[in-house]
Amino acid sequence: DTEVTQTPKHLVMGMTNKKSLKCEQHMGHRAMYWYKQKAKKPPELMFVYSYEKLSINESVPSRFSPECPNSSLLNLHLHALQPEDSALYLCASSLTGQDRNRDEQYFGPGTRLTVT
Amino acid sequence: AQSVAQPEDQVNVAEGNPLTVKCTYSVSGNPYLFWYVQYPNRGLQFLLKYITGDNLVKGSYGFEAEFNKSQTSFHLKKPSALVSDSALYFCAVRGVINAGNNRKLIWGLGTSLAVNP
Repeated sequence: DTEVTQTPKHLVMGMTNKKSLKCEQHMGHRAMYWYKQKAKKPPELMFVYSYEKLSINESVPSRFSPECPNSSLLNLHLHALQPEDSALYLCASSLTGQDRNRDEQYFGPGTRLTVT
Repeated sequence: AQSVAQPEDQVNVAEGNPLTVKCTYSVSGNPYLFWYVQYPNRGLQFLLKYITGDNLVKGSYGFEAEFNKSQTSFHLKKPSALVSDSALYFCAVRGVINAGNNRKLIWGLGTSLAVNP
């Protein structure tokens, strides 16, 4: 099973709402990632969890709050977002072997977020 | 500066013809290079990677890529294109050291491939 699942597929939220994005993988991967992607652009790294601990925060605004409840699950909590936060949010995972830099990442299908 | 360049925004090729999507890189040390593909309204899919060893790397869906150290290139190729190969292709390289000895993945801007029937 090389699948990363994400829910919901689409999300429309107002600027005062609180919502969460969910990601799940059952490949035994120990690194999980959140990316933001604008149309026809490369993905922008937001957060990296390694062995359920936050290892990288790419200076993301605090209105985005990640959470890794266990090795298979990754959440992204959203609060007071701005219209410019509208994008495709991608979750990914990777094995994290002896040299984690060799590992490819497996991506979910993404959540299309629209902030109104 | 460490970077990845995909010099062509768009590549058009006729079905059945060979295709090449170009990628050049600039990185300190030994490069770890990756190709990903993104079909419309989908997430990215891993195609292949070069870590070490044979310069010709074979990947998914009949794609291959050739690592050329002297030209600092990692071009993606396929002998016979299919209409279903039409997608957005990203080259990426492991670059600068980040937290925890991770080397940050640096992405190219992407090349849109259109295969015409």
